[in-house]
Amino acid sequence: QVQLVESGGGLVKPGGSLRLSCESSGFVFSDSSMGWIRQAPGKRPELISYLSRSLTSISYADSVQGRFTISRDNAQNSLYLEMNSLTAEDTALYYCARDVTTRGFFDVWGQGTLVTVSS
Amino acid sequence: EVVMTQSPATLSVSPGERVTLSCRASQSVSNNLAWYQQKPGQVPRLLIYSASTRAAGIPARFSGSGSGTEFTLTISSLQSEDSAIYYCQQFNNWPPRGTFGQGTKVEIK
Repeated sequence: QVQLVESGGGLVKPGGSLRLSCESSGFVFSDSSMGWIRQAPGKRPELISYLSRSLTSISYADSVQGRFTISRDNAQNSLYLEMNSLTAEDTALYYCARDVTTRGFFDVWGQGTLVTVSS
Repeated sequence: EVVMTQSPATLSVSPGERVTLSCRASQSVSNNLAWYQQKPGQVPRLLIYSASTRAAGIPARFSGSGSGTEFTLTISSLQSEDSAIYYCQQFNNWPPRGTFGQGTKVEIK
């Protein structure tokens, strides 16, 4: 079945770094645009990064611009998020999500990986 | 940044009643709008995209309408399993950025 599985979250100190991974299965990964969406407890989701299937469209929310880098490896059916200079405000559940419509609507989500930034 | 504002914040409705949720954009987003349902401890689920197209497997009691800055999600006959928070989300094609509304919580009376 169609599935996304995130990994790489954990506890990190302020100023630290983490690399999140998202492994896909059950669909043609290279045909889908992808996004990373985070959600802090009790808050609305936040689309923090988007990467089109063609690699020509890439974006970051202002809150992570310059600190986070999105990438994908179609041969490995995987999406990545490199996160640097982490602060407490980055604490959240991080989801990867599929945009099969290529219009920014996410029809498949992983279960998420928790990132906690604390000293 | 396009700001999405949802109303009301909370809605308490009896089973079988019609429910209407609103979402307003701070500037026109054409029909680049989606609705998601999130139940406690679960992942958001896509209900509606392109303002009015139901996602695969979504019951017909869910419908969306609107364009530009005003959008509506309607549940024609509320079921007990529809208790959840509902979020709207817009997406710009260029640069490819999206924002979510703050959510409307639907409770069952």
